[in-house]
Amino acid sequence: DSGVTQTPKHLITATGQRVTLRCSPRSGDLSVYWYQQSLDQGLQFLIQYYNGEERAKGNILERFSAQQFPDLHSELNLSSLELGDSALYFCASSPLGSSGNTIYFGEGSWLTVV
Amino acid sequence: AQTVTQSQPEMSVQEAETVTLSCTYDTSESDYYLFWYKQPPSRQMILVIRQEAYKQQNATENRFSVNFQKAAKSFSLKISDSQLGDAAMYFCAQETSGSRLTFGEGTQLTVNP
Repeated sequence: DSGVTQTPKHLITATGQRVTLRCSPRSGDLSVYWYQQSLDQGLQFLIQYYNGEERAKGNILERFSAQQFPDLHSELNLSSLELGDSALYFCASSPLGSSGNTIYFGEGSWLTVV
Repeated sequence: AQTVTQSQPEMSVQEAETVTLSCTYDTSESDYYLFWYKQPPSRQMILVIRQEAYKQQNATENRFSVNFQKAAKSFSLKISDSQLGDAAMYFCAQETSGSRLTFGEGTQLTVNP
């Protein structure tokens, strides 16, 4: 158990809908990351937050957004869903947002868009 | 942009034998970190080992060790005394600034009894 908690574990929704994925980082970790794992794109970094502030952006679509709350939990919002958004979405956390920190992953949220 | 390449999509090994998974990367930075993650069928991403680029000594964690060749930008993972539980997808990753990870395509390891 990495200590990173993600909900829901599985989610099936229709095209055009909106979903929210939730993540609680490990106790004491200030930095949260979101990654997407799909068959055609592999593992891709989406976005990073550190202590409530956006720190870095990767290949995140404009239809996707995220935030980190004062209690450090984070949410990833996916809207206007398309079939291609079906993927495993990982949340990860690290103590700081700086170089050298080991990043621990949650178990992921499986999103299926039908 | 950083790239990480794993040239072996699939590898197999006999139980109790040794296997080496290859990884190359490309970066212009002098200080960075490299990681191997394991993803079993449960899809959980589990950290196997990490290497700090400024350290010449290769990292070791029990049966797992790396061969880090900085000049060649090579970072291979050696698994000794392979066990059935080692069967998984293995991802090589490089840390970019701010602890973001760039992953390779993965190597699917099969362990034969």
